Amino acid sequence: EDQVTQSPEALRLQEGESSSLNCSYTVSGLRGLFWYRQDPGKGPEFLFTLYSAGEEKEKERLKATLTKKESFLHITAPKPEDSATYLCAVQAQIYNFNKFYFGSGTKLNVKP
Amino acid sequence: NAGVTQTPKFRVLKTGQSMTLLCAQDMNHEYMYWYRQDPGMGLRLIHYSVGEGTTAKGEVPDGYNVSRLKKQNFLLGLESAAPSQTSVYFCASSYRTRSADGKRVAQHFGDGTRLSIL
Repeated sequence: EDQVTQSPEALRLQEGESSSLNCSYTVSGLRGLFWYRQDPGKGPEFLFTLYSAGEEKEKERLKATLTKKESFLHITAPKPEDSATYLCAVQAQIYNFNKFYFGSGTKLNVKP
Repeated sequence: NAGVTQTPKFRVLKTGQSMTLLCAQDMNHEYMYWYRQDPGMGLRLIHYSVGEGTTAKGEVPDGYNVSRLKKQNFLLGLESAAPSQTSVYFCASSYRTRSADGKRVAQHFGDGTRLSIL
C-alpha cells in the first residue's frame, strides 16, 4: 500500500536547538518528494522538491535530503518564526496524472 | 497575482443542505485538485482535473461532485451534507510538466474553506 509517514507528530525545540524531521514512504513509481510548510489557518506553502537519492536542497535554516526510502528536513538553529506544521508529499505517476500522497505532518514549536 | 483563491472561507451547514465551494486560480495551471484535511489524517484527495471539461475521482469522492467548465475555476459540490463531511477543504493547482527545480509541478494551495455540518 502506498503510504507516507512523518515523525515525530510534534516537536518542541528551544531557539537555536537544531533537529531533524523524518518522512518515510512506501510509494511505487516515485516521481518526486515535496516539503511544504503550513501555518495555522493557511494552506500549505511549497518549500522543496527532491527527485533522486542523495539530492539535497537548502533554504535559510532548512535543509532537505533524500534517500531511497525516506527524507529528512534538517532545521539548523531554529527561530520562533520557524514554528509551523511541516508536510511531506510524495508524487507518483498514475497513468498520465501526477498523484500526491501526503503525510499527516510534524507540528514544530520553537520557543524563544 | 492572487494565486489560488477559495470562497467561502467559513461555512456552517445543517445536515441535508447543499452547497458549492469555489476555487479560482490565475496561474494558467492545467491541473486542479480538491483535498480535505482532517486532524491526524493528512490531506486526502477528493477529486481532480487534468484540464478544462475533465474531472476524475480521487481517494474519497463519495458525497462530492465537481465541475471544471473553465480552466481557471474548479467547483466542489456537496449535494446532501453529512456531519462526516465536516472538515477543512483545500484547493490546489499545478502545471502539468516539471521544471528542473520542481517548482513547476509543485502544487499551489488556497487558504482553505472551513466547513462545519451540524
